[in-house]
Amino acid sequence: DGGITQSPKYLFRKEGQNVTLSCEQNLNHDAMYWYRQDPGQGLRLIYYSQIVNDFQKGDIAEGYSVSREKKESFPLTVTSAQKNPTAFYLCASSIDAANYGYTFGSGTRLTVV
Amino acid sequence: EDQVTQSPEALRLQEGESSSLNCSYTVSGLRGLFWYRQDPGKGPEFLFTLYSAGEEKEKERLKATLTKKESFLHITAPKPEDSATYLCAVLILTGGGNKLTFGTGTQLKVEL
Repeated sequence: DGGITQSPKYLFRKEGQNVTLSCEQNLNHDAMYWYRQDPGQGLRLIYYSQIVNDFQKGDIAEGYSVSREKKESFPLTVTSAQKNPTAFYLCASSIDAANYGYTFGSGTRLTVV
Repeated sequence: EDQVTQSPEALRLQEGESSSLNCSYTVSGLRGLFWYRQDPGKGPEFLFTLYSAGEEKEKERLKATLTKKESFLHITAPKPEDSATYLCAVLILTGGGNKLTFGTGTQLKVEL
């Protein structure tokens, strides 16, 4: 079955550490996105990529980095510069957003301990 | 600035008690308005896309409508399994491509 796989489902990070969240899709979608979800704030866009080797900052990119070396993969690194990283992170992809919207993964919950 | 506002924040209904959720938006260059359902600890699941004022779409007990400034998600005779957070989002075209901007959601609880 085609879909988006995010791993791990739960992740714990010590303060000062970088951590990378995985997002893989086998839908042959060109565009991929990373959102962060906090209680009461909805989904906020971190980074997005329309094609391989190209990506754009979203609304809250500070303290995050991404790469898009393959069409199927769009990993997100949460760096130590992100002051409040505890959140639910969602990856999405699309091939024709205007007609089909985005397809979301099941999310990674990151907790700083 | 593009804005999407959903109300109410939370809604508690008895089984069979119909109601509506609201999504108001202020955007330039709207390419579509989307409704998603999200269960706790999971990613959003696509429900509907609406493109122009006057458009309506239905799926089981849900019906979405669109005006120039807002959208409504009507829930007719809800069941407990309809309990979830319902998210509204608007798709706009930016210099970097399509961008989906979300509201904060309405948390719906349907009780027996």
